Amino acid sequence: DAMVIQNPRYQVTQFGKPVTLSCSQTLNHNVMYWYQQKSSQAPKLLFHYYDKDFNNEADTPDNFQSRRPNTSFCFLDIRSPGLGDAAMYLCATSNGAGGGFEQYFGPGTRLTVT
Amino acid sequence: GQNIDQPTEMTATEGAIVQINCTYQTSGFNGLFWYQQHAGEAPTFLSYNVLDGLEEKGRFSSFLSRSKGYSYLLLKELQMKDSASYLCAVRASDSNYQLIWGAGTKLIIKP
Repeated sequence: DAMVIQNPRYQVTQFGKPVTLSCSQTLNHNVMYWYQQKSSQAPKLLFHYYDKDFNNEADTPDNFQSRRPNTSFCFLDIRSPGLGDAAMYLCATSNGAGGGFEQYFGPGTRLTVT
Repeated sequence: GQNIDQPTEMTATEGAIVQINCTYQTSGFNGLFWYQQHAGEAPTFLSYNVLDGLEEKGRFSSFLSRSKGYSYLLLKELQMKDSASYLCAVRASDSNYQLIWGAGTKLIIKP
């Protein structure tokens, strides 16, 4: 089945220790997104890519970076995680070419910062 | 600013019907989505409305009134597995790709 895959599902890192979260998709969608979601809050968009065109949200901290080396893969790098960065990180894709631009989500990576 | 309002929490009984409301104030409108999110899991797509009226999909229906900036999600014949958060999200017309998300309504189903 076509899907969005995120690894790892659970990640524990130390305060200030860089961490990379990965996302891959078999849907061949043009657009990929990274969201941060804290408990009982709306998903907060960090970045999105349309193909290789990178779009950074104005309020995304510089501590967060992203890479999309090809259509299938996207990475979220947190350079120096703080305690406030503990959250669920969701990767999503959509087909920017037409339709209702529904977003398909991966299972998420829950990040714990100790 | 852009804002989406939903009730924080609702409780309903197994087998009953529940309506979850969503109101939005956005710079434009190009479609409204409902997603279901079980605790600790990713959101999954439920419905999409871009024109006024009711869209029915099995036990779930979604309604939109663009003039009122209002939508609701109607869940019939509630099952225990419907216990989840339901998120309303709007695509404002100035962006084809980004969604403005509500914080979600936590629905608790009681036997």
